[in-house]
Amino acid sequence: AQSVTQLDSQVPVFEEAPVELRCNYSSSVSVYLFWYVQYPNQGLQLLLKYLSGSTLVKGINGFEAEFNKSQTSFHLRKPSVHISDTAEYFCAVSDRTGNQFYFGTGTSLTVIP
Amino acid sequence: DADVTQTPRNRITKTGKRIMLECSQTKGHDRMYWYRQDPGLGLQLIYYSFDVKDINKGEISDGYSVSRQAQAKFSLSLESAIPNQTALYFCATSGGGRGGGNQPQHFGDGTRLSIL
Repeated sequence: AQSVTQLDSQVPVFEEAPVELRCNYSSSVSVYLFWYVQYPNQGLQLLLKYLSGSTLVKGINGFEAEFNKSQTSFHLRKPSVHISDTAEYFCAVSDRTGNQFYFGTGTSLTVIP
Repeated sequence: DADVTQTPRNRITKTGKRIMLECSQTKGHDRMYWYRQDPGLGLQLIYYSFDVKDINKGEISDGYSVSRQAQAKFSLSLESAIPNQTALYFCATSGGGRGGGNQPQHFGDGTRLSIL
């Protein structure tokens, strides 16, 4: 069975500071990993995904994530955040078939002016 | 036009009423999902469908039912609504048929449901 743990439920950060949102997963099989963002009153949108290859994945809006197989982690980073990055962020994992997929409980990122 | 459309966007109703939430998509995806979102609990999967004839229960299916009327339409029903079903409900789709683990999910904008 798989699971996803987002270690921080809320992350406040000042504007233009760097941020890291943590995600750990557990799985005995190869997985695909995703980060989604949810802005207020909207559905989730894909930020980036790791399928294979380079462990550093770049997404939209200047975000990137690094897949670390030995630590079973997929942390999301941005070197300098903006007010507009205030949102809920979800990490998700899927097995190869897509028959088993799980979302984390989300991290609320608040960017402080 | 949105690729995944949910109707209604907001609904207030009374305990015991039957409610249907509808989802339609123009992405041509085989897979469709229904989730509910509660503060601090993230997304909980209610039902999912990998094609028109394949419907599966998720982790919290009790009190809910679904119908996959066509590839593009997937509706969620609450037969007799109760207050603890008050939540934000999302429909999502993904491609890839039966081997689609690498396909991201595409979400509608949600239905905010309040049961009094």
